[in-house]
Amino acid sequence: GAVVSQHPSWVICKSGTSVKIECRSLDFQATTMFWYRQFPKQSLMLMATSNEGSKATYEQGVEKDKFLINHASLTLSTLTVTSAHPEDSSFYICSARGGEAGQGGPLHFGNGTRLTVT
Amino acid sequence: KQEVTQIPAALSVPEGENLVLNCSFTDSAIYNLQWFRQDPGKGLTSLLLIQSSQREQTSGRLNASLDKSSGRSTLYIAASQPGDSATYLCAVKAGGYQKVTFGTGTKLQVIP
Repeated sequence: GAVVSQHPSWVICKSGTSVKIECRSLDFQATTMFWYRQFPKQSLMLMATSNEGSKATYEQGVEKDKFLINHASLTLSTLTVTSAHPEDSSFYICSARGGEAGQGGPLHFGNGTRLTVT
Repeated sequence: KQEVTQIPAALSVPEGENLVLNCSFTDSAIYNLQWFRQDPGKGLTSLLLIQSSQREQTSGRLNASLDKSSGRSTLYIAASQPGDSATYLCAVKAGGYQKVTFGTGTKLQVIP
């Protein structure tokens, strides 16, 4: 089946630094990638949607200058948390969908990244 | 705005029981609905995907049904096992392009 690899699985960083999270589709071309965050005991919340080669579309309330998303190729998207603060500590998960943009195919998820900002 | 609710929020059952998890959504003009399981601190594992034109999907001990008109989906787990313990999430793709809304989740514990 389709595999999405997310790296790192966990990271601890100091307040004010930037952290980059990678999301790779290993055996399919991901025309669309999604980034979610999940606070403890809460459901997943969509942060942004990105199509390869295009600017990401951010959900309301998500700061695009703080959460930089790059979808430079059909197999790689990155999320960079800039100038991280303790309130950015969360579980970040990426997902990817192949096929033509807009199709209703299944989402394939990475294993998530636990970010802790001290 | 699409709202997705899952009931119950938590469920504890003895091993071997058949059980039903519920997912309700407010906008019935959906594209598809997908069920996932999430183990603590982990990502999501896709279980079943139901397109809007379908009424149910089956995989092993899992069966998911979809009733668009009533805005409901159910996930049926037969002969539950301790390894089924996880949080189950439904996700609905509806209306506009690509947007998926997740439910609140049902935390399942199967007791040996």
